Amino acid sequence: EVQLAESGGGLVQPGGSLRLSCVGSGFTFRSYDMNWVRQAPGKGLEWISYITSSGNTMYYADSVKGRFTISRDNDKDALYLQMNDLRAEDTALYYCARVFLTTSAVLTDDYWGQGTLVTVSP
Amino acid sequence: DIQMTQSPSSLSASVGDRVTITCRASQSISNYLSWYQQKPGTAPKLLIYAASSLQSGVPSRFSGSGSGTDFTLTISSLQPEDFATYYCQQSYSVFRTFGQGTKVEVK
Repeated sequence: EVQLAESGGGLVQPGGSLRLSCVGSGFTFRSYDMNWVRQAPGKGLEWISYITSSGNTMYYADSVKGRFTISRDNDKDALYLQMNDLRAEDTALYYCARVFLTTSAVLTDDYWGQGTLVTVSP
Repeated sequence: DIQMTQSPSSLSASVGDRVTITCRASQSISNYLSWYQQKPGTAPKLLIYAASSLQSGVPSRFSGSGSGTDFTLTISSLQPEDFATYYCQQSYSVFRTFGQGTKVEVK
């Protein structure tokens, strides 16, 4: 069974840093690109970052570019999100999601973790 | 960035109703469109990918259609467990974007 488990969330002051982790199991982690998606309280879904399976290429939403860094350790089946210079508007539930290349050659995010909550407040 | 606009933002329906949600992209995205269902306190669940392909394990009352810029999610006969929020998402660009969501509520 494919599972993704996020951890590392918590309460942090504005300007602070936090590192989120996502551990995958039940599939060959190193073969899949991965995403981070967040959801502010009571709001919709916002994609924030993407990393290829090798870890060589990363993409970021403008809202986090220059502050957040996505990385992975395929030997540990782990995905990370280093978050620096955190702001109140970064308060959200952070999900990791697996990128799946379908038989019709279209990408989708087929499995999601349960999320880890980040709260940025004085 | 590709903007995704869903409508309506919410709707009220009864069990057994046919429900239709639309999603429009700001540019052509071919069929790079997925639909997700999210219930309170849980992660999004993939329903439809490639605009019209049903994810394994998803009931056949869910269907998707469309290509280019206009897409539709249809629930043919709403069931009690279908009351939730639904999101469309484009994967044409690596810079994923989601629609704002459609909340399906009990009438």
